Amino acid sequence: DAKTTQPTSMDCAEGRAANLPCNHSTISGNEYVYWYRQIHSQGPQYIIHGLKNNETNEMASLIITEDRKSSTLILPHATLRDTAVYYCILPNHSGYSTLTFGKGTMLLVSP
Amino acid sequence: DAGITQSPRHKVTETGTPVTLRCHQTENHRYMYWYRQDPGHGLRLIHYSYGVKDTDKGEVSDGYSVSRSKTEDFLLTLESATSSQTSVYFCAIKGTHSTGELFFGEGSRLTVL
Repeated sequence: DAKTTQPTSMDCAEGRAANLPCNHSTISGNEYVYWYRQIHSQGPQYIIHGLKNNETNEMASLIITEDRKSSTLILPHATLRDTAVYYCILPNHSGYSTLTFGKGTMLLVSP
Repeated sequence: DAGITQSPRHKVTETGTPVTLRCHQTENHRYMYWYRQDPGHGLRLIHYSYGVKDTDKGEVSDGYSVSRSKTEDFLLTLESATSSQTSVYFCAIKGTHSTGELFFGEGSRLTVL
């Protein structure tokens, strides 16, 4: 299964944009990139996914490089409630939508 | 709200006792999953189901069994609980919109003494 690499932790000031990078250099042509987050003591929450075009929804934007080897999740105006662990995931090839979670990036949003 | 309910939410038990965790969904989704989460290991897949009576093992299935006798319920059983199975257990269902979009329950915290 393809792997992803994310920084262990990042800090962001409240109200500023949070840009969370992810490297996925071994991604194959038809693999989507998924982003989840997990707020302390809660279950993971789906945020967004993309293949090769940039995507935006009510939670975030996803920018994928042209070569698809990396992506950036953008929270345009981070709030304290965005403090969480963010996971960048490439679904397994099992065909059953099993996901392998790495260690993710701990984003701390401060006042 | 994906309509997932886990029970019990908290349980303390003793080594050697059987434990069953229940995941209930109201959305009639085909795919269901059990994960465990431990400090230093993150989320790891225990078992998953792709239909009634159709289940398969995940990354850390030893010591666990599952059953899916009806669409809405996915049961995780620890036949003889050990202290190494102290963990937070999350159930998930697969949404209908995309391959990797899962919806997770609120978790069940199990402590084995």
